Amino acid sequence: DTAVSQTPKYLVTQMGNDKSIKCEQNLGHDTMYWYKQDSKKFLKIMFSYNNKELIINETVPNRFSPKSPDKAHLNLHINSLELGDSAVYFCASSQEANTGELFFGEGSRLTVL
Amino acid sequence: AQSVAQPEDQVNVAEGNPLTVKCTYSVSGNPYLFWYVQYPNRGLQFLLKYITGDNLVKGSYGFEAEFNKSQTSFHLKKPSALVSDSALYFCAVRSTLGNAGKSTFGDGTTLTVKP
Repeated sequence: DTAVSQTPKYLVTQMGNDKSIKCEQNLGHDTMYWYKQDSKKFLKIMFSYNNKELIINETVPNRFSPKSPDKAHLNLHINSLELGDSAVYFCASSQEANTGELFFGEGSRLTVL
Repeated sequence: AQSVAQPEDQVNVAEGNPLTVKCTYSVSGNPYLFWYVQYPNRGLQFLLKYITGDNLVKGSYGFEAEFNKSQTSFHLKKPSALVSDSALYFCAVRSTLGNAGKSTFGDGTTLTVKP
């Protein structure tokens, strides 16, 4: 029974397209996150939601828009995809925003051609 | 601003030998510190954390880490390495002040354990 699940696992698309990645957690956590891991494996936080409220919004192009319909779901929509958006996107959740460890999904590998 | 440094891109050890993966941090206020492991094509998995209390923290798979406030370090250790410990290890920090939930990750250290 997967705790944090993301779909799709792989996404290959053309520049200029719009795509979405979905994330669901069944851990009952209040806080969810999106992280980006680039080709050098560096991890950067993008967004965080606590009980459907946006609490972290890093310097991310406004082509990226998160949506949290409820506290168990956090989706990521990307408009007008660019080559530099190619990366692995990880969804994560935590019981408590400050002291709780992160539970990660398996990642969604986005390739923009 | 908060930051994490993992000074070694790569650590190589022989199976059965002790291992250390280094981490130093910079943060306003007091730190919350975490270690995660990532196997190829997988998400990160939590190993251990320091929040408060005893400076020596024990975690999953026999790993432990020691919080050293004066040296602003949180090195990951294991007394006897296994080949299956080979993976990418990340140290992360959060501050007790503001930015609730914002974890800053180090650049990662690739651990290779040779038989």
